[in-house]
Amino acid sequence: DAGITQSPRHKVTETGTPVTLRCHQTENHRYMYWYRQDPGHGLRLIHYSYGVKDTDKGEVSDGYSVSRSKTEDFLLTLESATSSQTSVYFCAISGGLAGATGELFFGEGSRLTVL
Amino acid sequence: SQQGEEDPQALSIQEGENATMNCSYKTSINNLQWYRQNSGRGLVHLILIRSNEREKHSGRLRVTLDTSKKSSSLLITASRAADTASYFCATVNDSWGKLQFGAGTQVVVTP
Repeated sequence: DAGITQSPRHKVTETGTPVTLRCHQTENHRYMYWYRQDPGHGLRLIHYSYGVKDTDKGEVSDGYSVSRSKTEDFLLTLESATSSQTSVYFCAISGGLAGATGELFFGEGSRLTVL
Repeated sequence: SQQGEEDPQALSIQEGENATMNCSYKTSINNLQWYRQNSGRGLVHLILIRSNEREKHSGRLRVTLDTSKKSSSLLITASRAADTASYFCATVNDSWGKLQFGAGTQVVVTP
């Protein structure tokens, strides 16, 4: 298994509170991604990173910010959580021998409930 | 917006039967990938097929790609109860490796 750890794995919070999800990798892969998974939508890309301090938006980035100060850590922050952000969040990495366009390795997910 | 659309949405078969699911996409691609997700778990990569390839095999998996029709199929032969999972196709169409996923096919294999 690829060394990807997401924390927390489960979180319940209230509307309006800030939330930070962490993704930690031990593979030294360059590319990291945050996806959210909702029923009927598959996975949708929130933000991605192509290196330390290099990040960009995905298709559903509104209400989310990210930071990557070290190769191994990619943080996803909800500045003020809303009920529409209740979802399962997945971190993924790539950038081994196949470069960015090869397979992605996924973490186990972080289930977030916003009440 | 979703790039890939899987068909069917759900599939129920018995052990030993073959399972076929299809994926259609909208724009040109670099490659197309299939992933499996067991309930409550992360996605696991199954197979990658490049835009200049037409067919690829991996164990009991066979993937085809028809770029003229913008479609792909995943065949699982001699299915097992352990194949019960959701299967997703995903396309890459840029150099950043951003995958665009379909909504998935839920496969149930009964013993």
